[in-house]
Amino acid sequence: DIQMTQSPSSLSASVGDRVTITCRASQDISNSLAWYLQKPGKAPKLLVYAAFRLGGGVPSRFSGSGSGTDYSLTISSLQPEDFATYYCQQYYGTPPWTFGQGTKVEIK
Amino acid sequence: EVQLLESGGGLVQPGGSLRLSCVASGFAFSGYSMSWIRQAPGKGLECVSYISGIADTTSYAESVKGRFTISRDNSENTLSLHMNRLKTEDTAVYYCARGDAFDFWGHGTMVIVSS
Repeated sequence: DIQMTQSPSSLSASVGDRVTITCRASQDISNSLAWYLQKPGKAPKLLVYAAFRLGGGVPSRFSGSGSGTDYSLTISSLQPEDFATYYCQQYYGTPPWTFGQGTKVEIK
Repeated sequence: EVQLLESGGGLVQPGGSLRLSCVASGFAFSGYSMSWIRQAPGKGLECVSYISGIADTTSYAESVKGRFTISRDNSENTLSLHMNRLKTEDTAVYYCARGDAFDFWGHGTMVIVSS
């Protein structure tokens, strides 16, 4: 199984800050990487797929990058609605797919 | 509009069984793989099972292998998860989701395994 290591597990930031979350795969996943945002009591929402492609309706302040085993999600200017938990997920090789442990973004 | 609607959750005793369903609408169901993903209270996300569009491939997380069975009926646009020999650690919200990068999710159905 491909393991996903996400960091940090939590962070505190202010509105307007630039925030970056990283995810490392246990092997090359050839950009088969998605990012999700989840708010309490709600299903996750797809933000980025194929490492850098934005999901439908996702604001341009979100961006994904990376290759091989190392990937990141950047929020260029944090907005109040962005305070949530973020997950990466790989979909390379043999399913079922695997998620990172999550990063909780809190208000400083 | 794409919609996924789960049902079948509830309270069950350890060792018991439960069948979850996910009814899909608004897209060509047979053209997409589907997965069941669960989230235990206060914990992260875990993909527990996967099925290809025409059901020729299924797979399971080690935590549920041999106890859970995924299936789909493409004529009824329905995904199912049969859960047997349930354990307390199976307590979670169970979501169905579309595709490999999960672009659409259901609202989830809660499964509580407790005596």
